[in-house]
Amino acid sequence: AIQLTQSPSSLSASVGDRVTITCRASQGIASALAWYQQKPGKPPQLLIYDASSLESGVPSRFSGSGSGADFTLTITSLQPEDFAIYYCQQFNNYPLTFGGGTKLEIK
Amino acid sequence: QVQLLESGGGVVQPGRSLRLSCAASGFSFSEYGMHWVRQAPGKGLQWVAVISHDGSEKSYADSVRGRFTISRDNSKNTLHLDLNRLTVEDTAVYYCAKGPWILDYWGQGVLVTVSP
Repeated sequence: AIQLTQSPSSLSASVGDRVTITCRASQGIASALAWYQQKPGKPPQLLIYDASSLESGVPSRFSGSGSGADFTLTITSLQPEDFAIYYCQQFNNYPLTFGGGTKLEIK
Repeated sequence: QVQLLESGGGVVQPGRSLRLSCAASGFSFSEYGMHWVRQAPGKGLQWVAVISHDGSEKSYADSVRGRFTISRDNSKNTLHLDLNRLTVEDTAVYYCAKGPWILDYWGQGVLVTVSP
């Protein structure tokens, strides 16, 4: 199974900051990567698919990049509603796998 | 709008069985592969199983293969997950999600607690 390693596992930032979360795959997955946001008690919400495509309705301050084995999620100008846990997920092959998550907290 | 509504969760003893269901609406259910994903309390997301749009193909995580069975009834727009030989490690919130590859819609989840 393809392993996804996210870093950092937690991150403190302030409203208005720019943050970057990385996701490294144990083998190349082309652009078969998605990013999700999860808030407490809620299901995950799709943010980015195909590594860099913004899901409809997601604010443009979210962006994704990368291909092969290294990927990033960037959030520019953090808003209060962005403090949550973020997961990457590969869909290059089964079993689908998720990264361990990055908890974004308010500084 | 797309809606996914899980049901069937609860508290069960180790070794027992449970059936989860997911009622889908707002999209052409029979055209999409569907997934189950679970999340243990305080932990990350773990993919469980997938079924193709017509039910002809299924795939499972190693941790549940042989114990869990995914199925669907396209006439009723319903997805199922049969959980057998449950262990305490299966305690989690179980989500159904619309595929086929990118999980663009998720249900609210249903809690399964396996406890002696």
